[in-house]
Amino acid sequence: DAKTTQPNSMESNEEEPVHLPCNHSTISGTDYIHWYRQLPSQGPEYVIHGLTSNVNNRMASLAIAEDRKSSTLILHRATLRDAAVYYCILRDVNSGYALNFGKGTSLLVTP
Amino acid sequence: DTAVSQTPKYLVTQMGNDKSIKCEQNLGHDTMYWYKQDSKKFLKIMFSYNNKELIINETVPNRFSPKSPDKAHLNLHINSLELGDSAVYFCASSHLAGYYNEQFFGPGTRLTVL
Repeated sequence: DAKTTQPNSMESNEEEPVHLPCNHSTISGTDYIHWYRQLPSQGPEYVIHGLTSNVNNRMASLAIAEDRKSSTLILHRATLRDAAVYYCILRDVNSGYALNFGKGTSLLVTP
Repeated sequence: DTAVSQTPKYLVTQMGNDKSIKCEQNLGHDTMYWYKQDSKKFLKIMFSYNNKELIINETVPNRFSPKSPDKAHLNLHINSLELGDSAVYFCASSHLAGYYNEQFFGPGTRLTVL
C-alpha cells in the first residue's frame, strides 16, 4: 500500500481555518485519498475523500495537488469540537476493504 | 438510533479467561470489520467479513475468532486472554465492499487484561 506522511501535531485557534497536510508521493492512479478523524475516546469517523478534483462537504474541503502527490484537508472554521487525530489514508481497489491507518495528525484547537 | 453498537464498553478480566465482544450495525451494510487500537494509539485491521464470509484475516493469533451469525452482527471471541490483548477494539461496517465507501465505526470496547 502507498504510504502517507503527516505532521505529528498541529495547533489552531478557534474559529480560524486549519490546513492539515498529507504527503503521498508514491500514490498510484487508482488510489483514492480518504480522511478520517478520531475524537477523544470515540471511534474514527469519515470526513471526506477524493480522487483528483477538490472536494467539499459539510465538514471540510479536500484540496488535491495536480500531481496527486499531496493533499490538504481544510477545516474552514475550527471549533473546539474539531480537536481530534486526523488520518489521511489511501485506498486502492486492489488493497482490499480495510482502512490502513497511519499515525495521523493530532489537532489541538485553543479558544 | 446508534448505527454501530458494541457491548460491552469496558471489559476487565484476568489472564487466561475467554471473553466475547459483540457488534451490531443497523445500517444495512454487508461488510463488517474489527480493528484493534493499542496503547500507542495505532489502529490496525484484524478481520473483515462480507456477507457473513471472512475476507480479511490479518496476522492475528488464532485465539481470536470472529463470528458473524448474520450480516448485521460480527462478534469477536478471544480465548486464553493475554496481557498484550489489552487494547481498544473497534467494530466498523460499510455499505458494499468498495474502496470508496465510508466506514462507520462503533464507540469501541476497552479491554483490560490483568
